[in-house]
Amino acid sequence: QSVLTQPPSASGTPGQRVTISCSGSSSNIGSNYVYWYQQLPGTAPKLLIYRNNQRPSGVPDRFSGSKSGTSASLAISGLRSEDEADYYCAAWDDSLSGLWVFGGGTKLTVL
Amino acid sequence: QVQLVESGGGLVKPGGSLRLSCAASGFTFSDYYMSWIRQAPGKGLEWVSYISSSGSTIYYADSVKGRFTISRDNAKNSLYLQMNSLRAEDTAVYYCARDGDWVSFDYWGQGTLVTVSS
Repeated sequence: QSVLTQPPSASGTPGQRVTISCSGSSSNIGSNYVYWYQQLPGTAPKLLIYRNNQRPSGVPDRFSGSKSGTSASLAISGLRSEDEADYYCAAWDDSLSGLWVFGGGTKLTVL
Repeated sequence: QVQLVESGGGLVKPGGSLRLSCAASGFTFSDYYMSWIRQAPGKGLEWVSYISSSGSTIYYADSVKGRFTISRDNAKNSLYLQMNSLRAEDTAVYYCARDGDWVSFDYWGQGTLVTVSS
């Protein structure tokens, strides 16, 4: 059971806009930055969004992040086949003895 | 360019030990915090341990506390994870990841597989 809650799956057709939610609590998302990572099949995770809504250089502006209260979202516009991957949210948690908590991951399928 | 290369994974019996290494290059290693993050087969990501840039501050997930020890050698640009009393549930790909003041886990290694089985 992950501390951050994500839907296990999401899907969309090419060109569509999809969003992936991440729900937490006041001790993690509510008081700290949210990060998003993309994991393509058989590869290591890659940073997609940091500090709630910042994109590292090289990440297309089709990817955007937002946060409101104890929830966050990742939006992908102009969906492409190469976006098919697992997506994870993460945040620092102030309450637990462990520092970082992750969502369970969302498998995005491009139909 | 930033590179993180893990090594040391393998097959070990329950109760056994293993030491993972992560060789860093392409950045000033001593300026960054580091973490180990693992992923059990077919499962999600789980943060394991954190070490500050100097090594003075260390944290562990409850699931490994008392069994795993994180350390670093800034002179060798290397991060380590000593894993003792291994259990079947420790079976996972172990990634090292760079952490910093501005952005966390911006670079990851390719991972090393640890399999705990008799």
